Amino acid sequence: AQSVTQPDIHITVSEGASLELRCNYSYGATPYLFWYVQSPGQGLQLLLKYFSGDTLVQGIKGFEAEFKRSQSSFNLRKPSVHWSDAAEYFCAVGAKEYGNKLVFGAGTILRVKS
Amino acid sequence: DTAVSQTPKYLVTQMGNDKSIKCEQNLGHDTMYWYKQDSKKFLKIMFSYNNKELIINETVPNRFSPKSPDKAHLNLHINSLELGDSAVYFCASSLEDTGPYGYTFGSGTRLTVV
Repeated sequence: AQSVTQPDIHITVSEGASLELRCNYSYGATPYLFWYVQSPGQGLQLLLKYFSGDTLVQGIKGFEAEFKRSQSSFNLRKPSVHWSDAAEYFCAVGAKEYGNKLVFGAGTILRVKS
Repeated sequence: DTAVSQTPKYLVTQMGNDKSIKCEQNLGHDTMYWYKQDSKKFLKIMFSYNNKELIINETVPNRFSPKSPDKAHLNLHINSLELGDSAVYFCASSLEDTGPYGYTFGSGTRLTVV
């Protein structure tokens, strides 16, 4: 069965510091990979996606993610975090073989300290 | 213009009642979804409709009945509400056969059953 693991429930970083949020997946197919962000009381906003081509993808708000097939990972990074980045981040995986269904990880809560 | 809109945003009701949540998208997408986000923020797919046809039904109690009058609308009706139904319900949409493009989410409906 498909699964997505986000090992870190909470992460706290200082404003201006770099950030990496981890995501590992288990899929028996070539996956489509996504990162979404959810601010308190809000819906989910798509940050970036990967489905083919360059394994380093750029997203909105200065985020990037790298697909590493050998490690089954799709980690999200940002070189310098802003206080407004505090939110919950979800990794999601889909595959053509499974239609349009996305499977989400449990989320990582990012706290930014000034 | 809101791309995916859900109503109501908040819903508080007593056990045993029947309630509906409405969703509309103006993106021209062919596929719509209902996801449930529990108290631990875990997101799980409930239903998916493609052009008014049910294509995913994920072991959801039959008290939950989706209805899609046209491809721009997907409503969720819940009968005999139980305490465990308390959650945030998200509607989402995507282009047909475009798992790679991800979803556009609504802002959610917070259902509280008392």
